[in-house]
Amino acid sequence: SQQGEEDPQALSIQEGENATMNCSYKTSINNLQWYRQNSGRGLVHLILIRSNEREKHSGRLRVTLDTSKKSSSLLITASRAADTASYFCARFDVGAQKLVFGQGTRLTINP
Amino acid sequence: EAQVTQNPRYLITVTGKKLTVTCSQNMNHEYMSWYRQDPGLGLRQIYYSMNVEVTDKGDVPEGYKVSRKEKRNFPLILESPSPNQTSLYFCASSTQQDPSSGNTIYFGEGSWLTVV
Repeated sequence: SQQGEEDPQALSIQEGENATMNCSYKTSINNLQWYRQNSGRGLVHLILIRSNEREKHSGRLRVTLDTSKKSSSLLITASRAADTASYFCARFDVGAQKLVFGQGTRLTINP
Repeated sequence: EAQVTQNPRYLITVTGKKLTVTCSQNMNHEYMSWYRQDPGLGLRQIYYSMNVEVTDKGDVPEGYKVSRKEKRNFPLILESPSPNQTSLYFCASSTQQDPSSGNTIYFGEGSWLTVV
C-alpha cells in the first residue's frame, strides 16, 4: 500500500529538458530513498538523503528535502530517452520494518 | 559488485504446484525482505528477516512462507500457489539490522510469476 504522494503522476517532456518530480510524506523520517523502475523491471536505487541533509547530487540527479514541509523533490537535468521510467520515493517505516513507497511518477522523455 | 539475485525471473505455473523463488545477496546484509508489486496497489511487503533464523510477517504474508537459514539467502515459498498470487515479486536487502539508520536498500531485478 502506498502512503506517500508523488506528483505529477505522469510527466512527458522533450529530451534535453529538466524533469522535476515531487514527493510528500506524512510522518517524520530518518531518511528518504529514491528509486527508478523501468517498465516491468527491478527497482534501481538512485539516492538516499538523510533527514539532516537538504540537498544531494549524483550525476544529473539532484534531490532536495524539506522536513518542515515533509516533502522531497528529484530533479533530472538534461534528460535523455534512457531516463524514461517510473520514479519512486520511499521512507522506511521502523515499526513495520518496511519501505513505504509513494505512488510514483511515470516519466516519459520524447526524442 | 553489490547484487541481489532472484530466480526464476519469469515463471508460469499451475494452481497448487509448490514453487520457490530464490533470493541471494552478496553484501553480507542482515536485513532482507520480500515485496510484491501489483497495479493500483503498489509495493506491499510479504515477509522480512532481520538476521539468520529471524523472520517476520509483512502486510500480505498469507499463502507464503520464507526461511533464513543462511545470511545470504532468503527464499520465498508458495506452498500451493493460486491465481491471486500472480504478481511481480522483489527481494530486497540492506546492511545493519536497522535500515532506518540510513542504509541503502537494494532490490533484485524482480520475478514475474503467473499462476494459471
